[in-house]
Amino acid sequence: QQKVQQSPESLSVPEGGMASLNCTSSDRNFQYFWWYRQHSGEGPKALMSIFSDGDKKEGRFTAHLNKASLHVSLHIRDSQPSDSALYFCAATSSGSWQLIFGSGTQLTVMP
Amino acid sequence: AQTIHQWPVAEIKAVGSPLSLGCTIKGKSSPNLYWYWQATGGTLQQLFYSITVGQVESVVQLNLSASRPKDDQFILSTEKLLLSHSGFYLCAGTGQTFSNERLFFGHGTKLSVL
Repeated sequence: QQKVQQSPESLSVPEGGMASLNCTSSDRNFQYFWWYRQHSGEGPKALMSIFSDGDKKEGRFTAHLNKASLHVSLHIRDSQPSDSALYFCAATSSGSWQLIFGSGTQLTVMP
Repeated sequence: AQTIHQWPVAEIKAVGSPLSLGCTIKGKSSPNLYWYWQATGGTLQQLFYSITVGQVESVVQLNLSASRPKDDQFILSTEKLLLSHSGFYLCAGTGQTFSNERLFFGHGTKLSVL
């Protein structure tokens, strides 16, 4: 069983709309979570990290972490066509040299 | 700013042939380096990591090997390719652990094994 699971597998939102992506971990040792974005044919780029319970906002992106339920989410407001990409949640534990990536959510923003 | 240059950009190889992929990181001294593999549209699987020259740790066994001959260079290789080796290979680096710094990726090498 994959330690980091994402939903939905794919998501379509209209331009200007809100996109909500979810991630659940099955390993209670994971304390540090990242969101990455990968455009087709490129390497992934980190969007933001979240290590504490609650919300963290960076521009149009807001991440939410609930450590008790091991649930992380990413919300993108005012979505743009350039936001269309594969989004990954990634998790790790303290002192680990492994960053575990989820299965990914393919986001399409329709003009 | 740190950059990661990967080579080659793409390879088409025959089953059973050898392979060597490489990356060079600039803008970061004594980086931690990683190799990831990605099936088309799939998740990223960490293959190897190295925190210092000459030392490489394997995360999964995929009939691949890695070496770090220089502080800024990481090599991925195999003597005999399998069909299952096809995919996208990504080199990545950080200056610290994942709890302190984001992982920075290169542009990747697309490998097709026929």
